[in-house]
Amino acid sequence: DAKTTQPPSMDCAEGRAANLPCNHSTISGNEYVYWYRQIHSQGPQYIIHGLKNNETNEMASLIITEDRKSSTLILPHATLRDTAVYYCIVRVSATSILTGGGNKLTFGTGTQLKVEL
Amino acid sequence: DSGVTQTPKHLITATGQRVTLRCSPRSGDLSVYWYQQSLDQGLQFLIQYYNGEERAKGNILERFSAQQFPDLHSELNLSSLELGDSALYFCASSETGTRNTDTQYFGPGTRLTVL
Repeated sequence: DAKTTQPPSMDCAEGRAANLPCNHSTISGNEYVYWYRQIHSQGPQYIIHGLKNNETNEMASLIITEDRKSSTLILPHATLRDTAVYYCIVRVSATSILTGGGNKLTFGTGTQLKVEL
Repeated sequence: DSGVTQTPKHLITATGQRVTLRCSPRSGDLSVYWYQQSLDQGLQFLIQYYNGEERAKGNILERFSAQQFPDLHSELNLSSLELGDSALYFCASSETGTRNTDTQYFGPGTRLTVL
């Protein structure tokens, strides 16, 4: 799986946008970028994923650079409940999955986002 | 609520004992995954089952085993427990487990404490 690099921690004021960066310079052309978050020992929660186009859902937006070597997760109006560890994950390609590679998620150390008043 | 359920929530046991953790996937999901989260190792993939068959193995110890039953629920068996096995154990499920667009949804976890 492609390796990802994230800052260990970030702070954000409540009501402001939180922009969480992720570098994945070794990503392959058919590998997706996934974002999960984990709120204090709860199960990881799926946020969003994308391949090359920007994506938006009710939780967040995902901006992927044109060369796909980095991405940014945007929480448009962060609240205290968004305080969590955010994980950026690059998914193994479909070919590997079909040839028996499984479909695991490889978690790094993530970014601890702290939203403050 | 992800739709994935895990029991029990908490488990306290002694070294050398054996425990079974249970997971029920979301309705319609065929794949189940087990992950371990300890303080020093982070979230680590253990094993994946797809429609009753083992699909992939990660860093799962030989003392640990899992299975997926015909109704698709899964059990993770941990035996000869050691202090270092104390961790959070998460189960996740996904629709198929054969596509890299297959989103995994996680359960609330089982916190295992080995004394």
